[in-house]
Amino acid sequence: ETGVTQTPRHLVMGMTNKKSLKCEQHLGHNAMYWYKQSAKKPLELMFVYNFKEQTENNSVPSRFSPECPNSSHLFLHLHTLQPEDSALYLCASSQVGRNQPQHFGDGTRLSIL
Amino acid sequence: GESVGLHLPTLSVQEGDNSIINCAYSNSASDYFIWYKQESGKGPQFIIDIRSNMDKRQGQRVTVLLNKTVKHLSLQIAATQPGDSAVYFCAETRQSGGTSYGKLTFGQGTILTVHP
Repeated sequence: ETGVTQTPRHLVMGMTNKKSLKCEQHLGHNAMYWYKQSAKKPLELMFVYNFKEQTENNSVPSRFSPECPNSSHLFLHLHTLQPEDSALYLCASSQVGRNQPQHFGDGTRLSIL
Repeated sequence: GESVGLHLPTLSVQEGDNSIINCAYSNSASDYFIWYKQESGKGPQFIIDIRSNMDKRQGQRVTVLLNKTVKHLSLQIAATQPGDSAVYFCAETRQSGGTSYGKLTFGQGTILTVHP
């Protein structure tokens, strides 16, 4: 157990569907992150939340909409996705502050038909 | 530009041997480095970290070495076991403007295969 739980583990959706990814951390952290992991590419940071406030949007298309209702929960709402959005989406959490390691969940494997 | 990269994409070793995985970084402002292990079907797992004011740090069976002069980071795994087979990523982080979080930049990863 990593302390960071992501659901669902796998998701297949059509381009016109709307779905949400969920992340919950049990580590008492106050920063949460969304990353995208595609084949043969380094992990890409998408969004950062510190104390529920979004502090980073790494030029992510608006078809990805994050939500952080509290420091323990993070969502990624998906709508009108494209085939190139198929990837592993990883959630991470850490303490806010310098030199704090990020701890990852096991990801949601997303396939866009 | 900024980059964190790996010299070798794959590494194959025999069980019991020591493994060394290398990583180069280009940003001299990097002040904190992390090694992660990612097994198939799982997310990256924190292994060990090191701050830029250190040259070496040891954990259980792992040692990280940092050479700031040549911007090089390595992960040494002692007595490598089949369970060590995974993709290993280095990541660097530095303070981002006035924000209080460190923005992680990942390398592409090295595939370590341990043969029994």
